[in-house]
Amino acid sequence: ILNVEQSPQSLHVQEGDSTNFTCSFPSSNFYALHWYRWETAKSPEALFVMTLNGDEKKKGRISATLNTKEGYSYLYIKGSQPEDSATYLCARNTGNQFYFGTGTSLTVIP
Amino acid sequence: GAGVSQSPSNKVTEKGKDVELRCDPISGHTALYWYRQSLGQGLEFLIYFQGNSAPDKSGLPSDRFSAERTGGSVSTLTIQRTQQEDSAVYLCASSLEGGRLYGYTFGSGTRLTVV
Repeated sequence: ILNVEQSPQSLHVQEGDSTNFTCSFPSSNFYALHWYRWETAKSPEALFVMTLNGDEKKKGRISATLNTKEGYSYLYIKGSQPEDSATYLCARNTGNQFYFGTGTSLTVIP
Repeated sequence: GAGVSQSPSNKVTEKGKDVELRCDPISGHTALYWYRQSLGQGLEFLIYFQGNSAPDKSGLPSDRFSAERTGGSVSTLTIQRTQQEDSAVYLCASSLEGGRLYGYTFGSGTRLTVV
């Protein structure tokens, strides 16, 4: 079992705060790391796909970094807004199969 | 269609009954996946279809679970003799090339409650 761990499990921040959370995974047989955002009652939405050690991706106020040697990825949200409230999932791909973490549930308090 | 469509969106069933969950993937997507998320758990892989290849059924939790994909498009996940532990959100996703580089497009899921 190739466990993907995410921390913290849940997070509450005030509107305007910046925040970050972690995805850790076994560094062997790495192919790609995906981040998804899952709002309640909606479909998970792909945020980033990262494949190379040192990759950094950015989409608006959200960015992510990847360290494949030590097996972790960070997701950062700058100036959190209530609409950022969602569960953020990371998934490690080793071929055709993905191993998802349990997600970090973010609540942004207005 | 424009996205991955799943039906029903919610299903409440009695323990011991059979249920069928349907997934319509994005047209042209050759890969189709079923996942489920039980309360407090991560997304659990169930089954993967890729084109005309034999499906990867390694994630199906028991022989009560089966899935088929007809004509390389619509897929049906069947759960026989449902148990309370089958209660979960069942997600379907599709992708062009197995999802490695571009990820999946997910449907909005079927919330199954077994009472």
